[in-house]
Amino acid sequence: DTGVSQDPRHKITKRGQNVTFRCDPISEHNRLYWYRQTLGQGPEFLTYFQNEAQLEKSRLLSDRFSAERPKGSFSTLEIQRTEQGDSAMYLCASSLAGLYEQYFGPGTRLTVT
Amino acid sequence: RKEVEQDPGPFNVPEGATVAFNCTYSNSASQSFFWYRQDCRKEPKLLMSVYSSGNEDGRFTAQLNRASQYISLLIRDSKLSDSATYLCAVNRGENKFYFGSGTKLNVKP
Repeated sequence: DTGVSQDPRHKITKRGQNVTFRCDPISEHNRLYWYRQTLGQGPEFLTYFQNEAQLEKSRLLSDRFSAERPKGSFSTLEIQRTEQGDSAMYLCASSLAGLYEQYFGPGTRLTVT
Repeated sequence: RKEVEQDPGPFNVPEGATVAFNCTYSNSASQSFFWYRQDCRKEPKLLMSVYSSGNEDGRFTAQLNRASQYISLLIRDSKLSDSATYLCAVNRGENKFYFGSGTKLNVKP
């Protein structure tokens, strides 16, 4: 499978715990995006990387959220001190530089209890 | 005002019908436009990009109206398998994309 992959697919955690999600983009794609989607809404942009550089962050991304893409390949999204309002689907997408067509991974569904 | 707005639907149509959705965007500087399809509890899948001249892919036709700031998606000869939520996405050239909340389509036998 040469598409975008995400791990884990599901995560249940207790409020206050830290969680980390991983995204592996399509191999030749140097742009990587993180989104959050809640029921009945479209994906909301969180952050964007070009290679290893984080070039854009949404105001939605509070200081409890951090994302990295250390070698310009896979990326991680960490949420510290999770809150119930963090429950959502976290989607990763990738694209080629110069093209805006994004391809999404299957998402990580987070439930904070 | 939201960056991108869509009628949530649902649009309930019989098989074989033609159905059209619109998506309005608020920022006239928007540059790139896309339609995605999302099945329940799945990730969005790119359906088509929307070019200034419009584009067609089989039963699907997308149009852009810059003057009125909307994009449209037309589906001809609807199939049961077209049942899904259709999301529009808009980019202002700053590598940040704005998605609508989606329009739900139910195609019934």
